[in-house]
Amino acid sequence: RKEVEQDPGPFNVPEGATVAFNCTYSNSASQSFFWYRQDCRKEPKLLMSVYSSGNEDGRFTAQLNRASQYISLLIRDSKLSDSATYLCVVNEEDSSYKLIFGSGTRLLVRP
Amino acid sequence: DTGVSQDPRHKITKRGQNVTFRCDPISEHNRLYWYRQTLGQGPEFLTYFQNEAQLEKSRLLSDRFSAERPKGSFSTLEIQRTEQGDSAMYLCASTLRVNTGELFFGEGSRLTVL
Repeated sequence: RKEVEQDPGPFNVPEGATVAFNCTYSNSASQSFFWYRQDCRKEPKLLMSVYSSGNEDGRFTAQLNRASQYISLLIRDSKLSDSATYLCVVNEEDSSYKLIFGSGTRLLVRP
Repeated sequence: DTGVSQDPRHKITKRGQNVTFRCDPISEHNRLYWYRQTLGQGPEFLTYFQNEAQLEKSRLLSDRFSAERPKGSFSTLEIQRTEQGDSAMYLCASTLRVNTGELFFGEGSRLTVL
């Protein structure tokens, strides 16, 4: 089983739609979680951290369910510029921050 | 440009040859990571350093791969006796504050093994 699993997609949605991605992780000892965004042929960049209580950054909402070991990302009012691959990232070891990436979920927002 | 710099950007080599990639992290970033990425996959963890100390090397990585960060600044990743399966984008990332989870990636070194 992969350490971090994501549905590869692609999710093909119209502008203005709400879309949600899930990610599951295998190591129950994982301590911190993040979402990264990667544009085509570009390097990954941090989108947001995921907190236990859930957190929101504009149109983006991230949530964590420790009991079920999954993380979600919700994008509201999708824009064309949101088209990218979204990578779920898990810190497997508390103090050493060994960051493990999922395979990514591809999002295509169409006009 | 004060971002993470990787060299070379592209490398084409024949199977069996050795290759070395260099990464210059952002100045003062004490944490440095190497990842490998193939088409349609996320970055796969290879190894990471805290200053000059290598903290861990992926169990999936064969002995043909070695990485160093001799003075805690730049790092090199060497692949000996390359195989076609080594063809990938090799990404380097650095950070100063690991607890933020924010890694700053370079543009990568693309390796093609013929």
